[in-house]
Amino acid sequence: DAGVIQSPRHEVTEMGQEVTLRCKPISGHNSLFWYRQTMMRGLELLIYFNNNVPIDDSGMPEDRFSAKMPNASFSTLKIQPSEPRDSAVYFCASRRGTSGPTDTQYFGPGTRLTVL
Amino acid sequence: AQSVTQPDIHITVSEGASLELRCNYSYGATPYLFWYVQSPGQGLQLLLKYFSGDTLVQGIKGFEAEFKRSQSSFNLRKPSVHWSDAAEYFCAVGPYGGSQGNLIFGKGTKLSVKP
Repeated sequence: DAGVIQSPRHEVTEMGQEVTLRCKPISGHNSLFWYRQTMMRGLELLIYFNNNVPIDDSGMPEDRFSAKMPNASFSTLKIQPSEPRDSAVYFCASRRGTSGPTDTQYFGPGTRLTVL
Repeated sequence: AQSVTQPDIHITVSEGASLELRCNYSYGATPYLFWYVQSPGQGLQLLLKYFSGDTLVQGIKGFEAEFKRSQSSFNLRKPSVHWSDAAEYFCAVGPYGGSQGNLIFGKGTKLSVKP
């Protein structure tokens, strides 16, 4: 299996621009997670989906952030407008099961976002 | 509130020496516990996990961890460190019996290995 695929791997943009991060989970996995990693705050869960339905988006920092999962094989995280404080590494992870954390979460390689 | 503390931000050990990375958690019930490793420029990879049963858990790459309920700890150990173990290590907790399954991560411990 190819693992979790994220694109782009690196993104540099200017403040105010729209940024879209993409994730393809492992085939057959039913849960998908978006995390943000910064030096100050560590690894934070932004939102997660079970069977393409958002379950908990309490970690989404503000309305500038939105996430969608139109089908089982694709998800996007959008930031509009972007700000310098959004600079971070964004990880996508997927998991086979939807109930409880017993199944392993598999992480993608991350997207390093820099907002100038 | 649920939390995970990794007291050591950075540890340096010599190759061949033993290693122990500390993890303490605060949780209202028996949690699920995990250790992940992140190599530079990579995503996180699961090393091992504890759900129940034997409190000493074996993982990949020769790592093990011991759950100590009385100390609310889940320390990661390796008897002999290899240069390739240099990475950042994250401890995480998850809700026992919950249907949500989201994890809370510590801030990580960066491991450097001296030749």
